[in-house]
Amino acid sequence: QKEVEQNSGPLSVPEGAIASLNCTYSDRVSQSFFWYRQYSGKSPELIMSIYSNGDKEDGRFTAQLNKASQYVSLLIRDSQPSDSATYLCAVNMPPGMNTGFQKLVFGTGTRLLVSP
Amino acid sequence: DAGVIQSPRHEVTEMGQEVTLRCKPISGHDYLFWYRQTMMRGLELLIYFNNNVPIDDSGMPEDRFSAKMPNASFSTLKIQPSEPRDSAVYFCASSPWMGQNYGYTFGSGTRLTVV
Repeated sequence: QKEVEQNSGPLSVPEGAIASLNCTYSDRVSQSFFWYRQYSGKSPELIMSIYSNGDKEDGRFTAQLNKASQYVSLLIRDSQPSDSATYLCAVNMPPGMNTGFQKLVFGTGTRLLVSP
Repeated sequence: DAGVIQSPRHEVTEMGQEVTLRCKPISGHDYLFWYRQTMMRGLELLIYFNNNVPIDDSGMPEDRFSAKMPNASFSTLKIQPSEPRDSAVYFCASSPWMGQNYGYTFGSGTRLTVV
């Protein structure tokens, strides 16, 4: 099982719709979770972080966390063509058996396409 | 704040040659990370430093890869000898703290092509 899993997509939504991006993680001890946006040919950009169960809203973005189900999601309301990008879920993994250090592990990303 | 600065932006080299990638973290950030991104494997952590000291290099793929951080404002990732399978985008990132509540700021990356 991968440490952080995402559907690669593409997820296609029309302009103005809600885009829902999902992520699952393997280590239930993980405590902090991040969503990054990466435009084609660019570097990842942090857009949301969440640490507690429930919802966290920031403008058109809402992050949702369910630690019992080991599930993180990102909702984008009123999707715009400029939201078209790859969205990376990142989980802060605690020290493991192979390494005594915590590390930020990324999923492979979900590509979002918003059509005008 | 100029952000995390990486050079070069693009590098094309022949198999067997030495490649050096460079990174300048954000001033005041005590943590520096080197990631590699490929289509198949996504973003993989190679190594990270805290206060210029390498902390976890378990992600470095093999002895051909080495990284140094001689001071707080400069780090290098070296591949010697390079192979075609090393072709990827290499990102440097920095963070003020390794605590659970901090995300990382990424540089613009170096796209490496080994032919």
